[in-house]
Amino acid sequence: DGGITQSPKYLFRKEGQNVTLSCEQNLNHDAMYWYRQDPGQGLRLIYYSQIVNDFQKGDIAEGYSVSREKKESFPLTVTSAQKNPTAFYLCASRPNEGRHDSGANVLTFGAGSRLTVL
Amino acid sequence: AQTVTQSQPEMSVQEAETVTLSCTYDTSESDYYLFWYKQPPSRQMILVIRQEAYKQQNATENRFSVNFQKAAKSFSLKISDSQLGDAAMYFCAYRSALIYNQGGKLIFGQGTELSVKP
Repeated sequence: DGGITQSPKYLFRKEGQNVTLSCEQNLNHDAMYWYRQDPGQGLRLIYYSQIVNDFQKGDIAEGYSVSREKKESFPLTVTSAQKNPTAFYLCASRPNEGRHDSGANVLTFGAGSRLTVL
Repeated sequence: AQTVTQSQPEMSVQEAETVTLSCTYDTSESDYYLFWYKQPPSRQMILVIRQEAYKQQNATENRFSVNFQKAAKSFSLKISDSQLGDAAMYFCAYRSALIYNQGGKLIFGQGTELSVKP
């Protein structure tokens, strides 16, 4: 079955350590997204990528980095520069439709990764 | 920049009754899409309903319907005949139709936690 796989589901990190969250999709989607979810704040966009080897900062990119070397993979690294990394992280993807979005293609989400800083 | 606001952090409904969740948004664009997503305790994001801004007719999906008021920038979700399985966090989201300007990203509200009483 096609879908998005996020791993690990739970991750614990010591302060000062970098960690990488994996996001893999077999949907042949062009665009991929990383969101952070905190209680009472909804989902906030960290980074997104519309094509391979290209990505853009979202609203809260500081302290995070990404790469998009393959179409199916969009890993997120939480660096030690991220002051409050404890959160739930969601990866999503969707096909590209060209310049204008018909609205037919919605985001498909992974099951998420819970990161806790000890 | 676009914003989405959900002013009801928590709502409660009796089983089989009807409940309405509120959402307002702010944008200067005329072409966009609006969504309601459901996040049950599993934390998997599930699309509930979608509305195209150029359509005057309100979207309906079984027991779920929306009241889309474009001039007022309001997009409420009505759940009829509420079921225990409807208990979840509900997010309202906005997406610009201009992919190259906005990357197809979703902008989310803060969420409304819906509980269903038996």
